[in-house]
Amino acid sequence: QSVLTQPPSVSAAPGQKVTISCSGSSSNIGNNYVSWYQQIPGTAPKLLIYDNNNRPSGIPDRFSGSKSGTSATLGITGLQTGDEADYYCGTWDSSLSAVLFGGGTKLTVL
Amino acid sequence: QLQLQESGPGLVKPSETLSLTCTVSGGSISSSSYYWGWIRQPPGKGLEWIGSIYYSGSTYYNPSLKSRVTMSVDTSKNQFSLKLSSVTAADAAVYYCARSSIAAAVPIEVDPWGQGTLVTVSS
Repeated sequence: QSVLTQPPSVSAAPGQKVTISCSGSSSNIGNNYVSWYQQIPGTAPKLLIYDNNNRPSGIPDRFSGSKSGTSATLGITGLQTGDEADYYCGTWDSSLSAVLFGGGTKLTVL
Repeated sequence: QLQLQESGPGLVKPSETLSLTCTVSGGSISSSSYYWGWIRQPPGKGLEWIGSIYYSGSTYYNPSLKSRVTMSVDTSKNQFSLKLSSVTAADAAVYYCARSSIAAAVPIEVDPWGQGTLVTVSS
C-alpha cells in the first residue's frame, strides 16, 4: 500500500483529456515538490513534470501538472495512442526522510 | 547528455548479497547539484525507491530496506554502487540507477534513469 494514492487505471478516447490524481499528506505532497513519470511497458520511467508544474525540455505542453494542498494532478490533453503507459507521481516525505512514489496509474486510450 | 548504466549479476542466490554498480557518463558524479540513487520495480508492480547518495557519501535510505542496504560512491571512477544483503525472492526486480535534483538539501525529481537491469533471486 503506497503512501501516495493514485487510481489504478483511467481511460479516455483519442483526442480527449484525462486527469490522474495523487493524494498524500502534509509530510509529503503538502510541503514538497511533486514530479510525474511516464513508463511505457518494457522501458525505464521518463520524467514528465517536476516542481509540481514544470515540464522538462522536449515534453509537449499536452502534459501539465498542478498541486493543491495535499493532492497533485497530472493532466493530459489531446490523448494519443502513444500516451498509453503507466504514470507515477513522486515526492519527498519529510517525516520518513524518503522518496515516495505513488502506486501508479495505467492509462488506456480507447 | 548524461547517461547511466547499471551493471552486476543478473542472478543472486537467496540469503546472499546483491551488488550493482552504476556508471555515469556525460557528466560528473561529483556535482554538488545532484543525488544519485537506486529505484527498483518488481515484475508487474510499481516503483520502489531504495536510496540516494551524495558525492560526499551522505545517504538517505528507504526505511523499510535500511537494515539491508549500503550505498557507496567512487568519484574517481564516476560510479556509485548498491549492496542489498540477505536477499529473498521478494527482492527480485528491475533495478534502476538514476540522478535526482536537490531542493532544501533533499533529493527530488528523478532524471535521467538508467535502462534498468533485471535481478532474479534463485538458488
